[in-house]
Amino acid sequence: AQKITQTQPGMFVQEKEAVTLDCTYDTSDPSYGLFWYKQPSSGEMIFLIYQGSYDQQNATEGRYSLNFQKARKSANLVISASQLGDSAMYFCAYSGAGSYQLTFGKGTKLSVIP
Amino acid sequence: NAGVTQTPKFRVLKTGQSMTLLCAQDMNHEYMYWYRQDPGMGLRLIHYSVGEGTTAKGEVPDGYNVSRLKKQNFLLGLESAAPSQTSVYFCASSYSHNQPQHFGDGTRLSIL
Repeated sequence: AQKITQTQPGMFVQEKEAVTLDCTYDTSDPSYGLFWYKQPSSGEMIFLIYQGSYDQQNATEGRYSLNFQKARKSANLVISASQLGDSAMYFCAYSGAGSYQLTFGKGTKLSVIP
Repeated sequence: NAGVTQTPKFRVLKTGQSMTLLCAQDMNHEYMYWYRQDPGMGLRLIHYSVGEGTTAKGEVPDGYNVSRLKKQNFLLGLESAAPSQTSVYFCASSYSHNQPQHFGDGTRLSIL
């Protein structure tokens, strides 16, 4: 079974600084997708960014980028120029080619300090 | 643009009672999912559907049933609620598998 590991239960970052949230995965699937979601204190799950295993370039969406290192099986989320509104739980998730479900990590709680 | 709508947002049940959680999406997505989220955990898949009239079991299906009679709706039923089913329930939909899933705002369910 695929496994997603987020090793940082909580992180702090100064406003306007960049921060990297770690995510590693364990799979033997040849094709898969990696996702990051944000869950603010209000509870909703917000899709941030997606990386396919065959994508040659790292995904970017505004201030979010995904540092994809396939050989290391890591898919770290980089948030540039942190804002107070970035304070939230962040979940990394995996989807294999033959699976319909997302497998989620346990999340990282990011706190942005003014 | 509603996206994925879940009703109700909150509910308190007594052990043994039954209820149905409703999920509706207006994005014409084929795939729909029900997850539960417990403290300190990510989301775990309960059931999913790959199209109208189809359903399948996910990681934690016991104690739940689902139906997808219409493409836009996915219902999650608890026949006899148990305290272990106290959780936050999320519905999601996607265009296809391995594509981003879009989530509703969640239903907070407490079973006493």
